[in-house]
Amino acid sequence: DVKVTQSSRYLVKRTGEKVFLECVQDMDHENMFWYRQDPGLGLRLIYFSYDVKMKEKGDIPEGYSVSREKKERFSLILESASTNQTSMYLCASSLADRGRADTQYFGPGTRLTVL
Amino acid sequence: DQQVKQNSPSLSVQEGRISILNCDYTNSMFDYFLWYKKYPAEGPTFLISISSIKDKNEDGRFTVFLNKSAKHLSLHIVPSQPGDSAVYFCAASEPGGSYIPTFGRGTSLIVHP
Repeated sequence: DVKVTQSSRYLVKRTGEKVFLECVQDMDHENMFWYRQDPGLGLRLIYFSYDVKMKEKGDIPEGYSVSREKKERFSLILESASTNQTSMYLCASSLADRGRADTQYFGPGTRLTVL
Repeated sequence: DQQVKQNSPSLSVQEGRISILNCDYTNSMFDYFLWYKKYPAEGPTFLISISSIKDKNEDGRFTVFLNKSAKHLSLHIVPSQPGDSAVYFCAASEPGGSYIPTFGRGTSLIVHP
């Protein structure tokens, strides 16, 4: 059974703080993704990675960076948290061998509040 | 511009009746479609998918129908149960190596006992 875990379920930070969100998957998936979910806006892609040390910007990368030093781990970094980054953050992983967007497996999410 | 649209933000259905969730797309290159289900405070989970070579795929109470000419797909849940109450996301992808699906904004389904 695929497992994607995220380091925190709930997080409260102050404006200007540096925030790290960690995601780990145990199925040797090549692709990993970070989304944020906001009411009425659905899932918006922040960054994705298709291999170790590779990263690509998604639809809303501003204010975020990522790191993928190991295949199983994908970190999302908020360099200087702002109140408009209050959101639910979802990590996902998928296989790459079909050459298409395959089924994604999501973590439980991190509800981040920036005060 | 949204390439995958779920025009109904919410849907309310009585237990035991049919739930029909709709999804429209604009990109004619999409050839693979997925539905995800999301409960509050949890990540989305894969529900069912359909390839463009088919017009129907069934899995228990869940059936997805694809109308390529209308660029429309729908998810039918029969019979609906209170545990089906969740947000449902439609997603689509095109061939050629892109690993990123395009998601709709979701439809919140409430099934009343």
